[in-house]
Amino acid sequence: NAGVTQTPKFRVLKTGQSMTLLCAQDMNHEYMYWYRQDPGMGLRLIHYSVGEGTTAKGEVPDGYNVSRLKKQNFLLGLESAAPSQTSVYFCASRRKLATNYNEQFFGPGTRLTVL
Amino acid sequence: AQSVTQLDSHVSVSEGTPVLLRCNYSSSYSPSLFWYVQHPNKGLQLLLKYTSAATLVKGINGFEAEFKKSETSFHLTKPSAHMSDAAEYFCVVTPGYGGSQGNLIFGKGTKLSVKP
Repeated sequence: NAGVTQTPKFRVLKTGQSMTLLCAQDMNHEYMYWYRQDPGMGLRLIHYSVGEGTTAKGEVPDGYNVSRLKKQNFLLGLESAAPSQTSVYFCASRRKLATNYNEQFFGPGTRLTVL
Repeated sequence: AQSVTQLDSHVSVSEGTPVLLRCNYSSSYSPSLFWYVQHPNKGLQLLLKYTSAATLVKGINGFEAEFKKSETSFHLTKPSAHMSDAAEYFCVVTPGYGGSQGNLIFGKGTKLSVKP
């Protein structure tokens, strides 16, 4: 059971380049999330998905797009990278329950630098 | 609306002494509360969670937290710090029922240093 995995682990981009971050989970979770972590800011939600084919905006969605074509995968895209998107990106997943008492499981993170 | 305030950005203790990491929350709904730990260059690991069953919650590695509704607090404690506890700790809130699809609201984190 790998849990939540993220690809790649590290990436350096030039301003204006595009890339896609891949998140995969093998726990059959309905909900998936993308966060960014910046020093002194905690984690902030970029986009999330409550099921295959559905996505929604979080707190800081500008400059990012997402897709959830398969239940186990959640992709985060940067169409035209900017230095302000230099960050560590975390993916997470969670089972859908009637309450929100169940925790999210996090991937190991992707460290992205935009020059 | 929900929010979380971690009252200390950095806490330093000596090995073997108690740890106290403070967290206050605000929530329109009956909240669900979590503490996550992040060791350097690692992902986030759940330490413990409050789910309304008991106000004193025990977690992994000897940590525990007490939910105090009257004080809107969820402070994290450990009786005796170990060198391996050095990490960043995040207090997290989400509505317990409905709303926000269970989206987590993170505090800004408290970095715990442990001196030998």
